[in-house]
Amino acid sequence: AQSVAQPEDQVNVAEGNPLTVKCTYSVSGNPYLFWYVQYPNRGLQFLLKYITGDNLVKGSYGFEAEFNKSQTSFHLKKPSALVSDSALYFCAVILYPNDYKLSFGAGTTVTVRA
Amino acid sequence: DAGVIQSPRHEVTEMGQEVTLRCKPISGHDYLFWYRQTMMRGLELLIYFNNNVPIDDSGMPEDRFSAKMPNASFSTLKIQPSEPRDSAVYFCASSFLALGAREKLFFGSGTQLSVL
Repeated sequence: AQSVAQPEDQVNVAEGNPLTVKCTYSVSGNPYLFWYVQYPNRGLQFLLKYITGDNLVKGSYGFEAEFNKSQTSFHLKKPSALVSDSALYFCAVILYPNDYKLSFGAGTTVTVRA
Repeated sequence: DAGVIQSPRHEVTEMGQEVTLRCKPISGHDYLFWYRQTMMRGLELLIYFNNNVPIDDSGMPEDRFSAKMPNASFSTLKIQPSEPRDSAVYFCASSFLALGAREKLFFGSGTQLSVL
């Protein structure tokens, strides 16, 4: 079964510093990979997705993610973090096109300190 | 667009009572998903619909859980009888069947359920 792992429960960075949230995947075919963000007391919001093509994917709010097939990773990055980026981040995967079910990782709490 | 609307935002009930959670998807979306979020298990997909038809309910934990989608603009998730271990945040999400778009889910704000 397809799955994703987020090895870090928490990531703490200072405002203005680079932010990286890690995700690795395990699928038997070609993965469709996603990042979602959840702010307190809110539902998840889509950030970006990788389907095919360029390994570097750009998304909302200045975030980007790099698909690395050899390392089976899809890390989320932002060059300069903001305090407002503090939230819970989820990596997710589906095995397109046979499955419409998003399987989410456990989530990583990001705290950006001023 | 008002987005995905869920009601109620908070529900507190006693063990054994029936609980009904409601969801109005975004107009024009033809996929609807119910997720449950807990600290222990994270986000779990319970069931999803396509064009009002349940496609996969393998995530529904027990027969106490049931979901319906009588029309394109309304879905319910019912728990009867409820148990304390059902306490969680329940999210509804919808998406649109178009190439490159259907994987983008739009989530509601969730229903915080507490079963005492």
